[in-house]
Amino acid sequence: EVVLTQSPATLSLSPGERATLSCRASQSVSTYLAWHQQKPGQAPRLLIYDASNRATGIPARFSGSGSGTDFTLTISSLEPEDFAVYYCQQRSAWPPTFGQGTKLEIK
Amino acid sequence: EVQLLESGGGLVQPGGSLRLSCAASGFTFNRHAMSWVRQAPGKGLEWVSAISGTSGSTYYADSVRGRFTISRADSKNTLYLHMNSLRAEDTAIYYCAKQGALQVGATIVYWGQGTLVTVSS
Repeated sequence: EVVLTQSPATLSLSPGERATLSCRASQSVSTYLAWHQQKPGQAPRLLIYDASNRATGIPARFSGSGSGTDFTLTISSLEPEDFAVYYCQQRSAWPPTFGQGTKLEIK
Repeated sequence: EVQLLESGGGLVQPGGSLRLSCAASGFTFNRHAMSWVRQAPGKGLEWVSAISGTSGSTYYADSVRGRFTISRADSKNTLYLHMNSLRAEDTAIYYCAKQGALQVGATIVYWGQGTLVTVSS
């Protein structure tokens, strides 16, 4: 199965700063990669699909890039509600797999 | 508005069985593949099972194949997960998820709030 490795495990930043989260796949997944956000005690929410497309209702400060094995989620200017855990997920190969998550915490 | 409402979770002994349900509304249920994804306490996300729209083809993670059965009742807009021979390692929040198309390979576009399954004696 495709292993997704996210880095860093924890990212400590302040509101207003730029956040860059990485996801690396063990084999090419083309652009079949999504990013999901999960806040404590809540269900995940789709942010980005097919590497670079924002889901409905997702603010423009969230952007995704990459293809093949290396992907990035960028939050241009952090808002207080953005502090959460972020998971990448591939749908290129069966079974679908998730990264282990990056926790974005307030510095 | 899309809604996915899971139910059926609870405490069950090792070796026991449980049936989870997910009541869907706000979209054309039979035009979408659906999945179950679980999250063990304090851990990450693990895809468990998926079922396509229309044809009802089913897929399972190796960890649950032969013990879990996914099904859907399109007339009731409801997704099910029948879980047998439960183990302690099946303890998790189980999320129902809507996918963006008929095929099971489509993106997960919406998640339910989840139902907690605890396997313990």
